[in-house]
Amino acid sequence: QVQLQESGPGLVKPAEPLSLTCTVSGGSTSSYYWSWIRQSPGKGLEWIGYIYYSGITNYNPSLKSRVTISVDTSKNQVSLKLNSVTAADTAVYFCASMGDCSATTCYGYLHHWGQGTLVTVSS
Amino acid sequence: SYELTQPPSVSVSPGQTASITCFGDKLGNKYASWYQQKAGQSPVLVIYQDKKRPSEIPERFSGSNSGNTATLTISGTQAVDEADYYCQAWDSSTALFGGGTKLTVL
Repeated sequence: QVQLQESGPGLVKPAEPLSLTCTVSGGSTSSYYWSWIRQSPGKGLEWIGYIYYSGITNYNPSLKSRVTISVDTSKNQVSLKLNSVTAADTAVYFCASMGDCSATTCYGYLHHWGQGTLVTVSS
Repeated sequence: SYELTQPPSVSVSPGQTASITCFGDKLGNKYASWYQQKAGQSPVLVIYQDKKRPSEIPERFSGSNSGNTATLTISGTQAVDEADYYCQAWDSSTALFGGGTKLTVL
């Protein structure tokens, strides 16, 4: 079974970039689409975007101008970079594998999730 | 913009059936997924493609989707089912979540 582990700084200063890594085990990053999702404290889930190993990406329009998702198949890792963060970006960030995808796009479900990592934006 | 609307809370007695709804315009024309999130844990997929269940999810979980409403049904609800439940669907190439429903088993 695919297992995912998010990692990265727990504290980021306002206006700086947030960078997180999702390390995949039990599966290959070349085999699935990978999504990032976040959850603000006490709030609901917000999808950030996804990537396929071929380079296909799709981002939430509300974050598109600040987000980059990349994949390193040699390390079996998926990365998230969110620029110009504010306190509103404070959240638990999850990565997840996706199911029911085609070679060119994905409108599928979020199958396996990592445990999440809390990122606090504060000076 | 497209929205998915869930009731904030649902209560059920142990052994009874819990139904959690998710409303969206013409939602029945899209696939709905459902996720269970227990306190302090990451979400778990419980239903996908409206009514399919991952192999590790108990049979008491079922789903349906028609018209404007997707429904997650838990038959014979147990105390371990107490959690937040989120529906999810795609619109305009964006994955959207409902606001979540807190299921209380009392």
